[in-house]
Amino acid sequence: QVQLVQSGAEVKKPGASVKVSCTASGYIFNSHGISWVRQAPGQGLEWMGRISAYNGDTNYEQKLQGRVTMTTDTSTSTAYMELRSLRSDDTAVYYCARSLTRSSGSLGYWGQGTLVTVSS
Amino acid sequence: DIQMTQSPSTLSASVGDRVTITCRASQSISSWLAWYQQKPGKAPKLLIYKASSLESGVPSRFSGSGSGTEFTLTISSLQPDDFATYYCQQYDSYSWTFGQGTKVEIK
Repeated sequence: QVQLVQSGAEVKKPGASVKVSCTASGYIFNSHGISWVRQAPGQGLEWMGRISAYNGDTNYEQKLQGRVTMTTDTSTSTAYMELRSLRSDDTAVYYCARSLTRSSGSLGYWGQGTLVTVSS
Repeated sequence: DIQMTQSPSTLSASVGDRVTITCRASQSISSWLAWYQQKPGKAPKLLIYKASSLESGVPSRFSGSGSGTEFTLTISSLQPDDFATYYCQQYDSYSWTFGQGTKVEIK
């Protein structure tokens, strides 16, 4: 069965960077895109961007452009999301999610979430 | 970016009620819309994709309809397990966007 397992919680200071990993199993990794979605405490879902695990093409949410980088390592079936210049309002649970089908934007499989806390 | 507006923000209902949640897009998204259910401390769960297709394993009391700019999620007979927050998401064009959520509470 499809599983996405994310790295553990992080605590970072303002201005630092964080890199969250998402290791996939149960399917051919480069056949589906991976999206990243975050959720601030008590707030709704925010789509951050996606990466094609086939060719590495990325699409980022405009307001995060320049601070976020999404990558994949096909040898380990792992996707990464790096966020730089962290601010307090980046405190959130970060989820990776796999597209339901090869070309779909609906997100059928989700990781367990990684809490990133930004605090001085 | 395409804005997604859900209504209501909160809904109080009883077990057995028929519940309808609306999602409006700021421009046409054809049928490129998904619905998710989220419970506290858990990842979202896909319920509906392509506006009206039921994801495998999701109970048939959930249904979706609409196209263009107006969409609805209907729960035909609310069950205790359905008290949760529901989100719509458009994937017509980047940036993909979510609605702000609708919390379904016990009346």
